Amino acid sequence: GEDVEQSLFLSVREGDSSVINCTYTDSSSTYLYWYKQEPGAGLQLLTYIFSNMDMKQDQRLTVLLNKKDKHLSLRIADTQTGDSAIYFCAESREGYQKVTFGTGTKLQVIP
Amino acid sequence: GAVVSQHPSRVICKSGTSVKIECRSLDFQATTMFWYRQFPKQSLMLMATSNEGSKATYEQGVEKDKFLINHASLTLSTLTVTSAHPEDSSFYICSAHPEGRLSYEQYFGPGTRLTVT
Repeated sequence: GEDVEQSLFLSVREGDSSVINCTYTDSSSTYLYWYKQEPGAGLQLLTYIFSNMDMKQDQRLTVLLNKKDKHLSLRIADTQTGDSAIYFCAESREGYQKVTFGTGTKLQVIP
Repeated sequence: GAVVSQHPSRVICKSGTSVKIECRSLDFQATTMFWYRQFPKQSLMLMATSNEGSKATYEQGVEKDKFLINHASLTLSTLTVTSAHPEDSSFYICSAHPEGRLSYEQYFGPGTRLTVT
């Protein structure tokens, strides 16, 4: 079955860049997502990338996809304290609405 | 647009009782809704896929008689935890897929914290 892995924790200083990494196993993945979850809240879709793309940038967020290595990363530029949250990588396949989530990376931003 | 609500946001119940959680799509119709469960410091685990007007599809290991799902309309799905026990305490999150939209579009509710005492 599908498997999505992330490192559990990342700590950065305010103003620095954060890079959160994710690996997945399903070569049929069509869509890859990054979600943000603040404490006690639901999930907020931050961005997504199609598997035929290498990179997507949206303001402070840059997503890089290495399809050969099945590696996805999320870079947050100029990280702010409001970025402190858990970030989930996720994947799904075209025609299938089921989304498989990674283990989540807790980002701590130090003022 | 694309707002999904859940009710209640937090519930505490006694062991052996049943609890119903509602998931509503507020400004769109959802042919498919999903129910997830999240344990502390863990990822979301898909419990079941709920299709309007038909029986839910449960993931392996999820007891369909314990977690009753009803998707009676295009804007409402309910999850009932029957005969709840302390091990059912968890954060339950629903998501909804807008009718006619591409498969990757899915919107999440804010979650319901269930505590069984």
